[in-house]
Amino acid sequence: EDKVVQSPLSLVVHEGDTVTLNCSYEVTNFRSLLWYKQEKKAPTFLFMLTSSGIEKKSGRLSSILDKKELFSILNITATQTGDSAVYLCAVEVTGTYKYIFGTGTRLKVLA
Amino acid sequence: AAGVIQSPRHLIKEKRETATLKCYPIPRHDTVYWYQQGPGQDPQFLISFYEKMQSDKGSIPDRFSAQQFSDYHSELNMSSLELGDSALYFCASSPWTDGDTQYFGPGTRLTVL
Repeated sequence: EDKVVQSPLSLVVHEGDTVTLNCSYEVTNFRSLLWYKQEKKAPTFLFMLTSSGIEKKSGRLSSILDKKELFSILNITATQTGDSAVYLCAVEVTGTYKYIFGTGTRLKVLA
Repeated sequence: AAGVIQSPRHLIKEKRETATLKCYPIPRHDTVYWYQQGPGQDPQFLISFYEKMQSDKGSIPDRFSAQQFSDYHSELNMSSLELGDSALYFCASSPWTDGDTQYFGPGTRLTVL
């Protein structure tokens, strides 16, 4: 059975801290891995990763994929209160357009 | 004045996962102590470091390890988490010149589901 597991489930940090969110997967036909940020509305797309070892960066956020060990990490440096959200990881299964979501990591950044 | 900083403040993990807790001592403090406080219990000493070397060892499980880095911050690594690991983890620091006075951080609350 295909599955995506995110860790930790919840995280509380102070502004300025660096956090690392983990996403591991077991999928028979991997196509891509996506990270989303979800606040009180629909998820916002952050990154799509398809190749191992290539880091993608956007401001204070970065992500990398390891297709051999079947995981991805999302790093957020110099966290701000506005980073507080649920971060979702999803894996797209090739040929089916199916996305398998993890349960998310709830991040709370304290001022 | 700067205090001991611990990160994260709260962490929720599942059984058999790993966790890493971080402690940043007060500037110019070279000694770091780790404590575990279970619900309704007194803090239990786990381990301490002085100048990046382990200086004392308490009731730290074999599943746990810790180290102190060149900038004096310390990390407590916890593997194969068990439900009983759910606790408050305090870090304290002290300067070499006054080892009797330990300055405690705010703690990290670890919940293992």
